[in-house]
Amino acid sequence: KAGVTQTPRYLIKTRGQQVTLSCSPISGHRSVSWYQQTPGQGLQFLFEYFSETQRNKGNFPGRFSGRQFSNSRSEMNVSTLELGDSALYLCASSPRAGAYQETQYFGPGTRLLVL
Amino acid sequence: GENVEQHPSTLSVQEGDSAVIKCTYSDSASNYFPWYKQELGKGPQLIIDIRSNVGEKKDQRIAVTLNKTAKHFSLHITETQPEDSAVYFCAASKGSNSGYALNFGKGTSLLVTP
Repeated sequence: KAGVTQTPRYLIKTRGQQVTLSCSPISGHRSVSWYQQTPGQGLQFLFEYFSETQRNKGNFPGRFSGRQFSNSRSEMNVSTLELGDSALYLCASSPRAGAYQETQYFGPGTRLLVL
Repeated sequence: GENVEQHPSTLSVQEGDSAVIKCTYSDSASNYFPWYKQELGKGPQLIIDIRSNVGEKKDQRIAVTLNKTAKHFSLHITETQPEDSAVYFCAASKGSNSGYALNFGKGTSLLVTP
């Protein structure tokens, strides 16, 4: 099976702009989570989607939003970009086939640089 | 919220030696503890995980131990090889119907020298 794919891999934006990142989960996986990775804060949970519904949200401002489509693909959007939003954004998918925690498989990430 | 602390932040060992990385967590409701390996330019890759109903798990050269009372868990890598060099992250999760968010430690940069 193909792994988690994320597009684009690299992105440069300027302050005030908005950006949309895309994630395609492993085939058959129904849950998608997003994480932000920075040198200072490490890996931080953004949000989790399952069956097109946001199930959980991390401690990030409302500028960060996301959605999931019926084919389980997900997008996240960051509006009014700030310099501090520069980070590696990681998407992870899991089957969500049962009522227990399953492995989350990470994609390669999208590296966002805000100038 | 959950706070996961990881030590050491850097670790250098010689090839063939063992490496141990330790993590502590704050939320006693956490019940799932994965370990991820991240190589340069790649996303984290799961290497082993353990659930709260198990005290120890082993997979070839890698083992994880969990002490629920003390709220700490450790990764043990034996017979280290240069290809084990990477950043390792521990994580903890409550794993409930409201979500499976992973709370990560800050990472350990492991260097295995030949």
